[in-house]
Amino acid sequence: GESVGLHLPTLSVQEGDNSIINCAYSNSASDYFIWYKQESGKGPQFIIDIRSNMDKRQGQRVTVLLNKTVKHLSLQIAATQPGDSAVYFCAVGYSSASKIIFGSGTRLSIRP
Amino acid sequence: NAGVTQTPKFQVLKTGQSMTLQCAQDMNHEYMSWYRQDPGMGLRLIHYSVGAGITDQGEVPNGYNVSRSTTEDFPLRLLSAAPSQTSVYFCASTGRSASSYNSPLHFGNGTRLTVT
Repeated sequence: GESVGLHLPTLSVQEGDNSIINCAYSNSASDYFIWYKQESGKGPQFIIDIRSNMDKRQGQRVTVLLNKTVKHLSLQIAATQPGDSAVYFCAVGYSSASKIIFGSGTRLSIRP
Repeated sequence: NAGVTQTPKFQVLKTGQSMTLQCAQDMNHEYMSWYRQDPGMGLRLIHYSVGAGITDQGEVPNGYNVSRSTTEDFPLRLLSAAPSQTSVYFCASTGRSASSYNSPLHFGNGTRLTVT
């Protein structure tokens, strides 16, 4: 079956450093990839997305990289701040079905 | 603009009781969906709808029913609650219909359900 997984359940980063969160997916037919941020007690919040015809997309302090050859995507957060503390989910969409499948999440904590 | 509104925020049920989790969106989104979130499991898709009158099953549909009589509302029904349904439930919507998987979901703040 299809699966989406993150490489590390937790990640601790020094404030000001860059953070990299990784995600792997299994279905080569996947064509839409999204990163969400979830703070305690709230619903997931959209950060950035990328389609399969791209391999890199940048937003404000965030970059998503997509490697379709090895079915891997990553989220890079530049100059990590205390407000970046949250659980980060990658999610994958498929042209064959109107649904989005989520990974299990990585908890990012920031060291002062 | 309220976005996606879920009620109630918290609910405790006894095994065998029934209830409906409410979800409403005011963004005129065609696509709506329900996820459950359990510790260490991420979000799992229960049911989704690509428009009024159309619903379909996700990854974990057993024990849940949905209907979509209007564009705005997408209630989730538990007919006979079980302890395994203790979870946090999220409703989400997005604006595109035919290619709704190809645009980001907007989430509500969740309903925390405990079944004893």
